Amino acid sequence: AQTVTQSQPEMSVQEAETVTLSCTYDTSENNYYLFWYKQPPSRQMILVIRQEAYKQQNATENRFSVNFQKAAKSFSLKISDSQLGDTAMYFCAPLPLNYGGSQGNLIFGKGTKLSVKP
Amino acid sequence: EAGVTQFPSHSVIEKGQTVTLRCDPISGHDNLYWYRRVMGKEIKFLLHFVKESKQDESGMPNNRFLAERTGGTYSTLKVQPAELEDSGVYFCASSPVEQTYNEQFFGPGTRLTVL
Repeated sequence: AQTVTQSQPEMSVQEAETVTLSCTYDTSENNYYLFWYKQPPSRQMILVIRQEAYKQQNATENRFSVNFQKAAKSFSLKISDSQLGDTAMYFCAPLPLNYGGSQGNLIFGKGTKLSVKP
Repeated sequence: EAGVTQFPSHSVIEKGQTVTLRCDPISGHDNLYWYRRVMGKEIKFLLHFVKESKQDESGMPNNRFLAERTGGTYSTLKVQPAELEDSGVYFCASSPVEQTYNEQFFGPGTRLTVL
């Protein structure tokens, strides 16, 4: 079975500080993408950052960056200069690609509830 | 451009009743997914449509769940008869078939409560 473990159910961080959310996953697929999604309170889930598993370079998107360790199957998210609007539930989600590269389905962890405090 | 929409936002029903959830994907998105989050657990995949065809329905919990996507546009997910363990948040997501980065766009979810 393919699984995702987010070991931190809840975290809090002071505004302007840096926080890292951890994620490990287990997939037998060789071809996949990795995503972090966030779901703010009472709002829908949106993409934070994506990483192609075949790329060694870690993805960066403004204040968000990842530390992707493929051999260890680890995919952590770092949020720099945390803002109040970063308060949300964060989900790590691998997306295995089917034969031929077509999309499979996302596999989610239980999520980490991040609170940014003023 | 409108995002993925879901109706209703909340539904409270009695055990044994029937409920139908609806998802309208982003226009032009041929991939449509249903996921479910039961309280305290992971979001789980239910099924995947490509246009009107079921690409993968391996996540459907049992035959009380029926999903359709007639005409390849909106989709419905019917639960009949509903059981207590069906309570949770049902998410729909869509994406284009031809897409470089494979991002799925999510709807706001339907919170289903079975009493």
